[in-house]
Amino acid sequence: NAGVTQTPKFRVLKTGQSMTLLCAQDMNHEYMYWYRQDPGMGLRLIHYSVGEGTTAKGEVPDGYNVSRLKKQNFLLGLESAAPSQTSVYFCASTDLGDNEQFFGPGTRLTVL
Amino acid sequence: SQQGEEDPQALSIQEGENATMNCSYKTSINNLQWYRQNSGRGLVHLILIRSNEREKHSGRLRVTLDTSKKSSSLLITASRAADTASYFCGTSYDKVIFGPGTSLSVIP
Repeated sequence: NAGVTQTPKFRVLKTGQSMTLLCAQDMNHEYMYWYRQDPGMGLRLIHYSVGEGTTAKGEVPDGYNVSRLKKQNFLLGLESAAPSQTSVYFCASTDLGDNEQFFGPGTRLTVL
Repeated sequence: SQQGEEDPQALSIQEGENATMNCSYKTSINNLQWYRQNSGRGLVHLILIRSNEREKHSGRLRVTLDTSKKSSSLLITASRAADTASYFCGTSYDKVIFGPGTSLSVIP
């Protein structure tokens, strides 16, 4: 089992460009999450999904959109990137909402 | 916010010593989870303690939970250089909310 994978691992964007981050899990988990991690801030929840076809806003959803068309995939989109979105993005999944989460390796995004 | 807050922010100890980190939170929880993050990596789950439990052990890890004080502690005994990492508590009601973490350095 690969667990939780994220693509790409690194990306540099210019302000105003768009991109999509892909998260995939092979554990048949219902719940999936997108977090961003900034120095000294811990992890902040951007959006999450409690099942295929569902999405919900987290703590810091502005500037991001998500989709969960297939149970195993959770996509995070930036429509118009801003320097404030420079961060490390982590995807996680779990079988139940308050159970142990399994994390991907992260995507380091720089917006110039 | 139900966010956990770890204390101290940074901790430096000698190999073989014990390391204690604390987590305080504000609202009701179903459980509290501790995670470790090595530099440049994703978080790895260490231990989960439910709101009706007071203490839990896993190898060299001991976690306590005091729901009356809304606090938890993580004790790592006989620390090793490989324990150097950031440690996060996550408080869970319907989803897990993480604190800013404690950075632990274990000096060989």
